Amino acid sequence: KAGVTQTPRYLIKTRGQQVTLSCSPISGHRSVSWYQQTPGQGLQFLFEYFSETQRNKGNFPGRFSGRQFSNSRSEMNVSTLELGDSALYLCASSLQVASAGHNEQFFGPGTRLTVL
Amino acid sequence: DAKTTQPPSMDCAEGRAANLPCNHSTISGNEYVYWYRQIHSQGPQYIIHGLKNNETNEMASLIITEDRKSSTLILPHATLRDTAVYYCIVSYNHRGGATNKLIFGTGTLLAVQP
Repeated sequence: KAGVTQTPRYLIKTRGQQVTLSCSPISGHRSVSWYQQTPGQGLQFLFEYFSETQRNKGNFPGRFSGRQFSNSRSEMNVSTLELGDSALYLCASSLQVASAGHNEQFFGPGTRLTVL
Repeated sequence: DAKTTQPPSMDCAEGRAANLPCNHSTISGNEYVYWYRQIHSQGPQYIIHGLKNNETNEMASLIITEDRKSSTLILPHATLRDTAVYYCIVSYNHRGGATNKLIFGTGTLLAVQP
């Protein structure tokens, strides 16, 4: 079974631009979460989607948004990019929202975004 | 904020057991302890999780104290490929009502030495 895939793997943008990142979860997984990883702040939760609905959102400005499609694939968008948005963006998929006893999440390799 | 405290770094000799401690003194009764690790430039990888009892799988063992305020991840025979940042996470998990949100702390950088 293929793992979580993220595209593109690397991206360079300039301040003020917007960017869309894509995540394809493991086949059969319906929950997708996004995380931002920076050297200064570490791994921070962005949002979580299940069945096309946002179930949880982290403490990020409204410039960060996301969505999930009916096939469980997810995209996240960052508008008006700032230098501080340079980070590794990680996507994780899980079989479902919650299952008592086990809720393993599978992470993709990430998209490395550089804002110049 | 993360509900866990871990030492920033640890060393371990190859072939020896690596014991990684974690404090989670404010853990609630329905919260699980999860361990993930992140090898350089890769996404985090699930290792093991537990609620009250000690757990073991093909990768590691998890020892949770009786009061659940701390735990230890044990890699029985560390190899060079186990060099990574190890994250201890307390995550609410209840059938039908939880989310998959993980709050990562700063983790422990385990360096396995040859």
